[in-house]
Amino acid sequence: DTAVSQTPKYLVTQMGNDKSIKCEQNLGHDTMYWYKQDSKKFLKIMFSYNNKELIINETVPNRFSPKSPDKAHLNLHINSLELGDSAVYFCASSQEGRGSGTSTDTQYFGPGTRLTVL
Amino acid sequence: AQSVTQPDIHITVSEGASLELRCNYSYGATPYLFWYVQSPGQGLQLLLKYFSGDTLVQGIKGFEAEFQRSQSSFNLRKPSVHWSDAAEYFCAVGAGTGGFKTIFGAGTRLFVKA
Repeated sequence: DTAVSQTPKYLVTQMGNDKSIKCEQNLGHDTMYWYKQDSKKFLKIMFSYNNKELIINETVPNRFSPKSPDKAHLNLHINSLELGDSAVYFCASSQEGRGSGTSTDTQYFGPGTRLTVL
Repeated sequence: AQSVTQPDIHITVSEGASLELRCNYSYGATPYLFWYVQSPGQGLQLLLKYFSGDTLVQGIKGFEAEFQRSQSSFNLRKPSVHWSDAAEYFCAVGAGTGGFKTIFGAGTRLFVKA
């Protein structure tokens, strides 16, 4: 059973298009994340949701809009795609509940979605 | 501001040799430290983590790491490297205020030669 799954695994699209990446976790975790890994392997957090509530939004263009229909899902919608959006996007989840104050829990990562914008 | 530095972009070691990957952090409070491994085309997997207590922590796959507060370091070690250890290794710090934020280093790519 896959703990954190993402679809699609690969996404190739033209500039200006709108696309979505889906993420689901079956671990019963309270917190989910989106990370962007650039071509130099640098991993940077984009968003964090706890029980469907946005907790972290790290200086991400508003073309990126996360949506959490329930705490097991965190989807990422990207409008007006740009060349610079090409990267691998990772979803992750952790048990961490609100109010814990620190990021102590192990994060479980999905396999990633490689987005290529042409 | 919190930050994590992995000074080695890549390291090559011979199979069976020992390994040390360096990690330095900058954080005002007690850090929560992690090492993750990323195999090619895969997501990240936790190797080990340090929150408190014994400064030498054991992880999976024979890895260990030592927290040294005086040097702001959390170096990863393995006594004998296997070819399957070739991967990208990320050090990370859990940034406390507000929670839910983990800052990753830029990663160190490990190559293993026969």
